[in-house]
Amino acid sequence: KAGVTQTPRYLIKTRGQQVTLSCSPISGHRSVSWYQQTPGQGLQFLFEYFSETQRNKGNFPGRFSGRQFSNSRSEMNVSTLELGDSALYLCASTRRAGGPGEQFFGPGTRLTVL
Amino acid sequence: GDSVTQMEGPVTLSEEAFLTINCTYTATGYPSLFWYVQYPGEGLQLLLKATKADDKGSNKGFEATYRKETTSFHLEKGSVQVSDSAVYFCALSGDQGAQKLVFGQGTRLTINP
Repeated sequence: KAGVTQTPRYLIKTRGQQVTLSCSPISGHRSVSWYQQTPGQGLQFLFEYFSETQRNKGNFPGRFSGRQFSNSRSEMNVSTLELGDSALYLCASTRRAGGPGEQFFGPGTRLTVL
Repeated sequence: GDSVTQMEGPVTLSEEAFLTINCTYTATGYPSLFWYVQYPGEGLQLLLKATKADDKGSNKGFEATYRKETTSFHLEKGSVQVSDSAVYFCALSGDQGAQKLVFGQGTRLTINP
């Protein structure tokens, strides 16, 4: 069974640009969550989607947004990039929305903002 | 809000040494607790979990017991190997209806042969 895939794996952008990251969950998983990992702030929850609906959102500015498609694939978008947005962005999928199910993580997208 | 405090690293041990990585949490209600491991260049992998008080999670020789009275979930292994070198994250899921993990800062573990 294929794991969670994220594309692209590496990305370099400049300040003010926008970026879209993609995540394909494990087949049959309907919940997708996004996390930002930085050396200073560690791992922080961005948002969770289930059945194309955002169920939870972390404490990030509105420049961070996401969506989920009917096939459970998800994208996140960051507009007006800032230097501080440089991070590893991790996507995780779970079969269902409720309960402490195991989250399966992808390898991440490394975003560098210059 | 919910939070996780992890023992700061880095931690360096010799092969076959005993490992303890401390983790304490603050949460309302009854969270589920997890240990994740991250190898270089990879995403996070679930190492073990416990969903209620006094549960012991175990996997690959690692163990952790959910202690509600001390709000702790310390990770232990009796004899570490070079291949255990990685970053370890303690995490909690505080809301039964949400797939939202709150992570500790991570502990980098290096095992020398």
